Amino acid sequence: EAQVTQNPRYLITVTGKKLTVTCSQNMNHEYMSWYRQDPGLGLRQIYYSMNVEVTDKGDVPEGYKVSRKEKRNFPLILESPSPNQTSLYFCASSLSMGARSTEAFFGQGTRLTVV
Amino acid sequence: DAKTTQPTSMDCAEGRAANLPCNHSTISGNEYVYWYRQIHSQGPQYIIHGLKNNETNEMASLIITEDRKSSTLILPHATLRDTAVYYCIVRVGGNAGNNRKLIWGLGTSLAVNP
Repeated sequence: EAQVTQNPRYLITVTGKKLTVTCSQNMNHEYMSWYRQDPGLGLRQIYYSMNVEVTDKGDVPEGYKVSRKEKRNFPLILESPSPNQTSLYFCASSLSMGARSTEAFFGQGTRLTVV
Repeated sequence: DAKTTQPTSMDCAEGRAANLPCNHSTISGNEYVYWYRQIHSQGPQYIIHGLKNNETNEMASLIITEDRKSSTLILPHATLRDTAVYYCIVRVGGNAGNNRKLIWGLGTSLAVNP
C-alpha cells in the first residue's frame, strides 16, 4: 500500500531536549516536505527536498533541520525544542514530474508538545 | 501564488450533493486549482485538481468558471464520512523551484448531517 509513515504519532518532550520525527515513503517520490499546522494559521511549510541531498527552507524553517540521505526518508530534527514548536506536524511526498506529480500524499501526523 | 477565499463552514444533508465554493479572483493563467480535505486532524487527502476544464473523478467533480476566478467542488452524494475541512489551493504547475509547495488557507468545515 502506498503510504507516508511518520513516527512517533504523539510526543511530549521538554524544552531543549533534541528530538527527531521520522518520515518514510514507499512510492519512490522525489519530492518531500514538512508542514506544521497550528490553529488559525493553517498548514505552513517548514522544509522541503527536491531529491536526495537537495533540501531547502520553506516558510517557517527556524528551529528545525532536515536531511535527505536516502530517497525514502526525510527526518525532521529539532535540535533544541521550545514551547512555540508545539504543533501538529505533517510530512508529505509527491512525484516531481509526470501525470501523478500534482498529488501530494500526507502522513498521519505527529502531535508534538514541548513543555 | 494566488490567494483563495472559502466560506468558513457549511452544512449538508446526508445523501444530498455538497457544493463547496472557492474564489480565486487573482489566479494566473498557469495556476491550477487543487482541492484537498482533512478529516479530524488526519493527514490531508488529495481530492481533485484542474486548470480550466471541468474535472470528475471517483471522489468529486470540479467546476471552474470560464473566467477561472472561482470554482466549485461537488460531492454528489455526501455521506457522514465526508465531514471534514476542505481546502481550495491554487498553485503554479511544473517542476521548477518549489512548485510542489501548497499554500494553505483555513478551508471550509463541512458538516454532513444525518
